[in-house]
Amino acid sequence: TQLLEQSPQFLSIQEGENLTVYCNSSSVFSSLQWYRQEPGEGPVLLVTVVTGGEVKKLKRLTFQFGDARKDSSLHITAAQPGDTGLYLCAGETDSWGKFQFGAGTQVVVTP
Amino acid sequence: DTEVTQTPKHLVMGMTNKKSLKCEQHMGHRAMYWYKQKAKKPPELMFVYSYEKLSINESVPSRFSPECPNSSLLNLHLHALQPEDSALYLCASSQGAPGNTEAFFGQGTRLTVV
Repeated sequence: TQLLEQSPQFLSIQEGENLTVYCNSSSVFSSLQWYRQEPGEGPVLLVTVVTGGEVKKLKRLTFQFGDARKDSSLHITAAQPGDTGLYLCAGETDSWGKFQFGAGTQVVVTP
Repeated sequence: DTEVTQTPKHLVMGMTNKKSLKCEQHMGHRAMYWYKQKAKKPPELMFVYSYEKLSINESVPSRFSPECPNSSLLNLHLHALQPEDSALYLCASSQGAPGNTEAFFGQGTRLTVV
């Protein structure tokens, strides 16, 4: 059972366009992370959100944590080919030291 | 130093071989993880070590045997694997404290079982 649902599964856009990736759950998470993974590499941590309603910005990336801490979104403004990758959200479950990944969103940005 | 180092980067092994994957971190993290990742899928948790003790085993077959010799090292011993075990094996570490589980991943070992 996937605790975290990500949508869409795949997104192909042109350079300069905006995009949003969603991460939803019926469970409450004490924290949620977003990662980007390129082929053959390990996931790279982008951000951690902890507080309900929190918004964090990382250059052209904006991350939001829902008020109820059950969902999150990642918005990319003016996407560039370097933003291409698999975007994964991961939520910290009740078990100490354990976190659960969503299924991932494959983003392709073409020049 | 925010690196998690995994060796080897690539490994091809036969079904009767015994091999080991290695992982090292020097961030003082107390939790270390092994994940398995198939193509176009998210990482699947295999094992979690907390303070050098195995705290989570996600019903992984016994042909995978983890070992944590000290707080900086994590090994995964492989024996009698099947072709379907071919995947990217990822090691990660984190502070491991509740509310602070953001993980740093290694580059992975691409394993092919023939």
